[in-house]
Amino acid sequence: DAGITQSPRHKVTETGTPVTLRCHQTENHRYMYWYRQDPGHGLRLIHYSYGVKDTDKGEVSDGYSVSRSKTEDFLLTLESATSSQTSVYFCATTAQGGGNSPLHFGNGTRLTVT
Amino acid sequence: GENVEQHPSTLSVQEGDSAVIKCTYSDSASNYFPWYKQELGKRPQLIIDIRSNVGEKKDQRIAVTLNKTAKHFSLHITETQPEDSAVYFCAASRTGNQFYFGTGTSLTVIP
Repeated sequence: DAGITQSPRHKVTETGTPVTLRCHQTENHRYMYWYRQDPGHGLRLIHYSYGVKDTDKGEVSDGYSVSRSKTEDFLLTLESATSSQTSVYFCATTAQGGGNSPLHFGNGTRLTVT
Repeated sequence: GENVEQHPSTLSVQEGDSAVIKCTYSDSASNYFPWYKQELGKRPQLIIDIRSNVGEKKDQRIAVTLNKTAKHFSLHITETQPEDSAVYFCAASRTGNQFYFGTGTSLTVIP
């Protein structure tokens, strides 16, 4: 969908270790988003980007940081992973941002923090 | 920020019956409302969307209605089939802003 690739697809890590998830898109979309999905909570926004080096926080940004050095790549870093960050993480992109065009999602990364 | 509420959280229907999922939103400036279907273990995929200048939109067995005054929008699936079983998410957004999602409805179509 929209040429979005997330890596890795699955990861198990230990509490306290840093983790980086990668999202790569080939559609030249300006806007990119990181969501986490947990039962009963739907999709919650962690961080988003509206251009290279332009990022902003979402509703659940604590403990996460992002970087976007190229249009096609958006990295999500868990600075010191905790068990509460065990989740499925989805990257999404859109060409024109909220209100104008739909989100297209990657296949997700299942992260387990032990 | 925007608050999107979605009901019901679970829905079971007999094959061939209709299913309706309802969402309300709080920000009157929201102007774009997509619906996503997520099958087990898969990514959410767009199935239909509607903009605030339109009251209804149809695509085969799927339709979405929007009531801007009441700030609610609904997904209607007619002649349901077992392959319609999935989790459905509504979302609301406004120009240049984030997308806000409902908490999802798990639809089961019983053959």
